[in-house]
Amino acid sequence: RKEVEQDPGPFNVPEGATVAFNCTYSNSASQSFFWYRQDCRKEPKLLMSVYSSGNEDGRFTAQLNRASQYISLLIRDSKLSDSATYLCVVVKAAGNKLTFGGGTRVLVKP
Amino acid sequence: EPEVTQTPSHQVTQMGQEVILHCVPISNHLYFYWYRQILGQKVEFLVSFYNNEISEKSEIFDDQFSVERPDGSNFTLKIRSTKLEDSAMYFCASRGTELTDTQYFGPGTRLTVL
Repeated sequence: RKEVEQDPGPFNVPEGATVAFNCTYSNSASQSFFWYRQDCRKEPKLLMSVYSSGNEDGRFTAQLNRASQYISLLIRDSKLSDSATYLCVVVKAAGNKLTFGGGTRVLVKP
Repeated sequence: EPEVTQTPSHQVTQMGQEVILHCVPISNHLYFYWYRQILGQKVEFLVSFYNNEISEKSEIFDDQFSVERPDGSNFTLKIRSTKLEDSAMYFCASRGTELTDTQYFGPGTRLTVL
């Protein structure tokens, strides 16, 4: 089983719509979780950390389900500029390497 | 806003040649990392560096790879004898302190081995 698994997509989303997708991780001892965004041939950029209680940043909402070992990202009122690959990232222990999923591609269309 | 910088943006080299990729992490950050991303694949960890020594490395990071922090600002990745399969984007990242897991990435160096 892959350490971090994501649906590669693409998710084709009409502008203004809501899109949500998940990521599963295999190591139950993982302690930190992030969503990064990556534009084509660019570096990963931190979108948001994911906390157990769930957290929201503007139109973006992230949830963590430790029991089922998945995290989710929901994007409301999608903008054309939200088109990107969203990378699920897990940290097993403090200060350790980031382990990346393969990314979920989102295409927002007018 | 402070950022990680990397040079060059694109490096083309012949198989068997040595390359050095350069990174300037965010000032006052203490932890440094190299990752690579082969075209169309996921981002993979190579090595982490703290207090002037390697703290963790992946199986990708074999004897052909080395890292160095030659002064107070630069962090370099050297590949001694490049192979075709070393062609990838190489990202440097830095992290502030032990109180956070957040890493900030540089824009990457695209390495093409011919």
